[in-house]
Amino acid sequence: GIQVEQSPPDLILQEGANSTLRCNFSDSVNNLQWFHQNPWGQLINLFYIPSGTKQNGRLSATTVATERYSLLYISSSQTTDSGVYFCAVPNTGNQFYFGTGTSLTVIP
Amino acid sequence: DAGITQSPRHKVTETGTPVTLRCHQTENHRYMYWYRQDPGHGLRLIHYSYGVKDTDKGEVSDGYSVSRSKTEDFLLTLESATSSQTSVYFCAISGNSGNFFQFFGPGTRLTVL
Repeated sequence: GIQVEQSPPDLILQEGANSTLRCNFSDSVNNLQWFHQNPWGQLINLFYIPSGTKQNGRLSATTVATERYSLLYISSSQTTDSGVYFCAVPNTGNQFYFGTGTSLTVIP
Repeated sequence: DAGITQSPRHKVTETGTPVTLRCHQTENHRYMYWYRQDPGHGLRLIHYSYGVKDTDKGEVSDGYSVSRSKTEDFLLTLESATSSQTSVYFCAISGNSGNFFQFFGPGTRLTVL
């Protein structure tokens, strides 16, 4: 299967700070998704971004498919951003592989 | 939010008993997935379905079976539960447009004693 690595594994930020989360993957992909799992366990879609850059409010994501990585940027972090961030990629058979996540804690 | 429900939301059972988890969608999406989430492993795909009666194995399918007799329902069965199957189980669906943007259900916490 596809290997997906996320870094850093843990991140603690002061409210208002910016951060960059990274997702590396081992094979060519035509799809990449970022998710946020909130402290209650709910998984929320953030981005579908097979290539290029997208922005949604304080969050943006960039995928460089040729170099097999994606970045998630969080600006002006808020306590509600706390949780675990996952990236996921599919193989050609539509089986999705998830990274082990980045656990983010935003301190007021 | 996509209309996905899972039942039960919590279950405690004993080793050796059969267990069936249900995922129900109201979105008429073609693809449905079952994942398990364990500390240190993220989410791992158990089985998925690409249509009624069309299913395939995922990364960690041993000990699990699935069935999809209707578009809206995807069942996950543990024929004889083991303690290693204690986990949180998530169902997901993705659309028909080809971009496979996944939406997740609320999860089922299963404890096997």
